[in-house]
Amino acid sequence: DAGVTQSPTHLIKTRGQHVTLRCSPISGHKSVSWYQQVLGQGPQFIFQYYEKEERGRGNFPDRFSARQFPNYSSELNVNALLLGDSALYLCASSLLDFNWGTEAFFGQGTRLTVV
Amino acid sequence: AQTVTQSQPEMSVQEAETVTLSCTYDTSENNYYLFWYKQPPSRQMILVIRQEAYKQQNATENRFSVNFQKAAKSFSLKISDSQLGDTAMYFCAFMKLTSYGGSQGNLIFGKGTKLSVKP
Repeated sequence: DAGVTQSPTHLIKTRGQHVTLRCSPISGHKSVSWYQQVLGQGPQFIFQYYEKEERGRGNFPDRFSARQFPNYSSELNVNALLLGDSALYLCASSLLDFNWGTEAFFGQGTRLTVV
Repeated sequence: AQTVTQSQPEMSVQEAETVTLSCTYDTSENNYYLFWYKQPPSRQMILVIRQEAYKQQNATENRFSVNFQKAAKSFSLKISDSQLGDTAMYFCAFMKLTSYGGSQGNLIFGKGTKLSVKP
């Protein structure tokens, strides 16, 4: 079975631009979460979606938004990119709502560089 | 707010030896999960081991075991018989549980410990 897949793997954007990152969860998983990992730091929680509804939001500005589609895939959107948005963006999926402490399976991430 | 602290930015160990990675956390909650994740150069975060706070018995997974000291808010990871493939960043993480048994749905990570296993 395929694991969590994220696309693209790398991309470079210019300050002020918009970016969309995509995540496909493991087949059958209904919960997706997004994390930002700045170089040298641990991942920071951005969003959680379960059954297409937002279930949690971290301390990130409104420039960050996300959604989950009927097939449980997800998009993370970032508007008006800043240099500080340069990071590895990780997507994690789980079979059930994370609210029951089920194991999170992570993708390999998207490396975003803002210049 | 919960915080997770890993005080060892880097560690190294000889192949086949044992190494212990430290993690402390700060919370006023009584019900939570603790995790150790491994992140190799491939970047994919892999779950190593999980501990439920209500369980007194320390979790073990093959060569990996934890020393969970709830009162001291300490959660260390011991790797026995270290292998070259254990070389990676290791992250300690916390997940709060709500009163009805659910969690807040997000993991709180420490800054990580870079482990190098030398031949």
